[in-house]
Formats: sequence, structure tokens, C-alpha cells
Amino acid sequence: DAKTTQPNSMESNEEEPVHLPCNHSTISGTDYIHWYRQLPSQGPEYVIHGLTSNVNNRMASLAIAEDRKSSTLILHRATLRDAAVYYCILIISGTYKYIFGTGTRLKVLA
Amino acid sequence: NAGVMQNPRHLVRRRGQEARLRCSPMKGHSHVYWYRQLPEEGLKFMVYLQKENIIDESGMPKERFSAEFPKEGPSILRIQQVVRGDSAAYFCASSPSKSSNTGELFFGEGSRLTVL
Repeated sequence: DAKTTQPNSMESNEEEPVHLPCNHSTISGTDYIHWYRQLPSQGPEYVIHGLTSNVNNRMASLAIAEDRKSSTLILHRATLRDAAVYYCILIISGTYKYIFGTGTRLKVLA
Repeated sequence: NAGVMQNPRHLVRRRGQEARLRCSPMKGHSHVYWYRQLPEEGLKFMVYLQKENIIDESGMPKERFSAEFPKEGPSILRIQQVVRGDSAAYFCASSPSKSSNTGELFFGEGSRLTVL
């Protein structure tokens, strides 16, 4: 299974954009990039996913490097409710086994 | 449309007892996954089931752990003769199909097992 590398923790001020990086240098052509987040005492929650092109949804944007060896999750305006652990996961197309790393713990400062 | 429902949310057992964790997937979902999360760690895949079938149990410990997803009723994760090392949060997720590229897994809020 391809591995991802994320910083252990990051801080952001409220109302400011947050860029959460993820390195996945061993990604293969059929691997999808998924992001989930886990709020305290809750189960993981889907944020966004993509293959090659940048993606936007109501929660966030996903910027994927041209060589696909890295990606960045962008929260456009962080709120206190965005404080969570963010997981970057590579999934082989058509499979189901999500391999969670330790993620990035995002702290949002008021 | 209710989400993935897990119960109990919290369970305390003494060493040697049995723990049963239940998971009702989202309506219309026939694929269920169980994950375990130790404190300060990421989630670890345990087992993937479809109705009445275990598809992949490669993440399940070989002894004391079993899972089922009967034709009727919730999926059950059963841990026999619990030990302190089984203390963890157990998360269930469901999806309408197995394909990851169509989108998301839906997770429940987890069952937190404490073994005394």
C-alpha cells in the first residue's frame, strides 16, 4: 500500500486559510487521493477526494501536484469547528481498504 | 436518513468477558467495514463484510475476534475473553458499493471499549 506523509500538527488563526500538505511520492497511476477528518470523540468524516485534477466542494479544495507526488487540502476560512485530525489516504481504484496514517492535528486559534 | 448507527457508544468489560459491538449501516448500504483505533493512533482496518459474507478479514486478530453481517439485523463485532490491550475505539463504516473512486465511506461515532 502506498504511504502518505503528513506533518503531525499545524496551527491556524480563525478566519484564515489553511493549507494542509501531504506527500505521497510512491503513488501509482490508479491511486485516488482521499481526505478525511476526525473531530474529537467522533468517527472520521469524508472531506474530499481526487485523482489528477484539482477538486472543489463545499467543505474544501484539493490541489494535486502535476506529478501527483503531493497534494494539499485547502480550507478557505478556518473556523473553530475545523479543529480536527486530518487524514490523507491513498486508495487503489476499485478497492476498499483505507490505510489511515496518524494524520495532521489542526488547531484553530480564536 | 439516519447515518451509521453504532451501539453501545461506551462499553466496560472485565478481563475474560465478552464484548459485542453492533453496527447498523446507512439505509441502502450493503458494505460494512470495521476499524480499530488505539489512543493517539490512526484507524486500523479490521474486516470488510457484505451481507452474509466476510470479504476480507486480514486485519482481524486470528483469535478471540469475529465479525458477522447477517441477512437481517446489524453487523456484529464480537470479542471473546477480552484483555486490556483490546481497549480501543471501534468504528464501523458503510458504503453503497466497494468502489473507492465513487466517493466516501460513512463512519459511525464509534464504540469505546474499556477493559478493566
